[in-house]
Amino acid sequence: GQQLNQSPQSMFIQEGEDVSMNCTSSSIFNTWLWYKQEPGEGPVLLIALYKAGELTSNGRLTAQFGITRKDSFLNISASIPSDVGIYFCAGELQGDSWGKLQFGAGTQVVVTP
Amino acid sequence: NAGVTQTPKFQVLKTGQSMTLQCAQDMNHNSMYWYRQDPGMGLRLIYYSASEGTTDKGEVPNGYNVSRLNKREFSLRLESAAPSQTSVYFCASSQQGGRTFGSGTRLTVV
Repeated sequence: GQQLNQSPQSMFIQEGEDVSMNCTSSSIFNTWLWYKQEPGEGPVLLIALYKAGELTSNGRLTAQFGITRKDSFLNISASIPSDVGIYFCAGELQGDSWGKLQFGAGTQVVVTP
Repeated sequence: NAGVTQTPKFQVLKTGQSMTLQCAQDMNHNSMYWYRQDPGMGLRLIYYSASEGTTDKGEVPNGYNVSRLNKREFSLRLESAAPSQTSVYFCASSQQGGRTFGSGTRLTVV
């Protein structure tokens, strides 16, 4: 079953505000990935994290791989209307030689002008 | 454009009917996957193929079969569709690390 807890489930924010979401697990992960999904489309990779403590940015997006290897967060700064979508975290379990990903249930972000 | 192409985009089936979902990638990736997405549950792995000629079960394989036809193509077959298989299906591919996803097939079984 699903091992990742992603929160919050949804966020309603005003344009210009910062957004923060996170994923936690009882398991240790080798890799954390953050995806965005827009309506009618498949998820698109935003940021990939490969080392504990790693902090990586992609434009207004910043993600970190937790020191314990059991969590990760994603921040979006100065949100704009096109940030609307569902954001998913995904983790690759430590010890999984092949690399199957576990996905969180997603955080729905709605941005109002 | 390079990427993962899925067909069809939409499909309605009657219970008990069969169908095959097609997927092709043009990125020369070794690995391919089939996921289903249900509300509030994220993506769950149905089957995957680590390389041409191999396939393995994922988290929710019951009721499905797959074929890795060649390096480019990976199909998903429902032999006898059930209402519980109503979902959005995504194909993905990867060389290593993150997956590249297709735009999905929305399947309704009535």
